[in-house]
Amino acid sequence: NAGVTQTPKFQVLKTGQSMTLQCAQDMNHNSMYWYRQDPGMGLRLIYYSASEGTTDKGEVPNGYNVSRLNKREFSLRLESAAPSQTSVYFCASSVRLASPEQFFGPGTRLTVL
Amino acid sequence: QKEVEQDPGPLSVPEGAIVSLNCTYSNSAFQYFMWYRQYSRKGPELLMYTYSSGNKEDGRFTAQVDKSSKYISLFIRDSQPSDSATYLCAIMRNQAGTALIFGKGTTLSVSS
Repeated sequence: NAGVTQTPKFQVLKTGQSMTLQCAQDMNHNSMYWYRQDPGMGLRLIYYSASEGTTDKGEVPNGYNVSRLNKREFSLRLESAAPSQTSVYFCASSVRLASPEQFFGPGTRLTVL
Repeated sequence: QKEVEQDPGPLSVPEGAIVSLNCTYSNSAFQYFMWYRQYSRKGPELLMYTYSSGNKEDGRFTAQVDKSSKYISLFIRDSQPSDSATYLCAIMRNQAGTALIFGKGTTLSVSS
């Protein structure tokens, strides 16, 4: 079992460029999440998907869109990247939304110039 | 006031020391209390969690919740260099449709 996988591991963008971060889990989990982690700010929830076919905004959704492609995959899209979106992005999954245990991927380090 | 507050440290201790990591939270509705550990350049992983109040022990780690003070703690006994990591507390209501709320994390360094 690979758990939660994320691609790419690293990315450098120029302001205004777009990109999609991919996430997949092989644990048959219902719920998936996207977080960003910045120094001094901790983990902040961007979007989440309680189950296949549903998505909801988290704490910091502006500038992002998500797609729950199927039960396994949850992608995060930056339509027009800004320097403020420079961060480490983590995808996570859990059996259900109200579950204390979330399983995290290895992260994507994104730099926007 | 943020829903969960955590001192970011850093905290440096010698090998073998007892470490105390703490968080405070603001809403008495929270009933699940988690501790995640994050090694450098890795994703967080769940260390342990407690439901409601009281203590929970797992090897050298003890999680403690004081709901009257809205205070949660993680104690590490006989700390090891391999315990060097960032520790994040997280809270959640016992309610369908809710997500975890994370503290900012405390960075711990254990020197040999």
